[in-house]
Amino acid sequence: AQSVTQLDSQVPVFEEAPVELRCNYSSSVSVYLFWYVQYPNQGLQLLLKYLSGSTLVKGINGFEAEFNKSQTSFHLRKPSVHISDTAEYFCAVSDRNDYKLSFGAGTTVTVRA
Amino acid sequence: GAVVSQHPSWVICKSGTSVKIECRSLDFQATTMFWYRQFPKQSLMLMATSNEGSKATYEQGVEKDKFLINHASLTLSTLTVTSAHPEDSSFYICSARDLFSETGSFGTQYFGPGTRLTVL
Repeated sequence: AQSVTQLDSQVPVFEEAPVELRCNYSSSVSVYLFWYVQYPNQGLQLLLKYLSGSTLVKGINGFEAEFNKSQTSFHLRKPSVHISDTAEYFCAVSDRNDYKLSFGAGTTVTVRA
Repeated sequence: GAVVSQHPSWVICKSGTSVKIECRSLDFQATTMFWYRQFPKQSLMLMATSNEGSKATYEQGVEKDKFLINHASLTLSTLTVTSAHPEDSSFYICSARDLFSETGSFGTQYFGPGTRLTVL
């Protein structure tokens, strides 16, 4: 079984500033990693995923994340946020033998002008 | 691509009635779909895994007789909340696993927009 810890429950940030959302996971097997974004009263939209290959993954809307196996982390970053990035962000993990996703508790990002 | 729809987007019903929620993969085939429940300001909780042509697999603590799941085709899964009560009020989200467009054997899950159920 896997577990996911999102270290920040809320992240306030000013427009055009950078943001980093931290995600750590624990698993006894190799995993796949995901970041999803959820806007109010909507489902989840996939931002990016790490399945294999380069540890730096680029996603939609200018987001990127880096897989660090030794630190079991998959932190999400964006160099310059917009008001429209205000949302809930979920980190998720799946082991390579079981397609079920385990989600973190979520990080609320609030972007202010 | 990889669009998943849900219907209805919201529903209000009286206690004791049953409510059906549909989940459709619009542009891909999904042998596996998932049903989640999300309480306000909380993460998603997996309720069950729906497999086309076979019985659903429920997570521990989820009543299979209360949450009936049917996956009749490669693009449609339904969740029926039977004899709904106020404690069943929640946001229900489905996802579909896009197996065939991925390299390798893993299929990324794509999520529907969710259904807000309110039981009076």
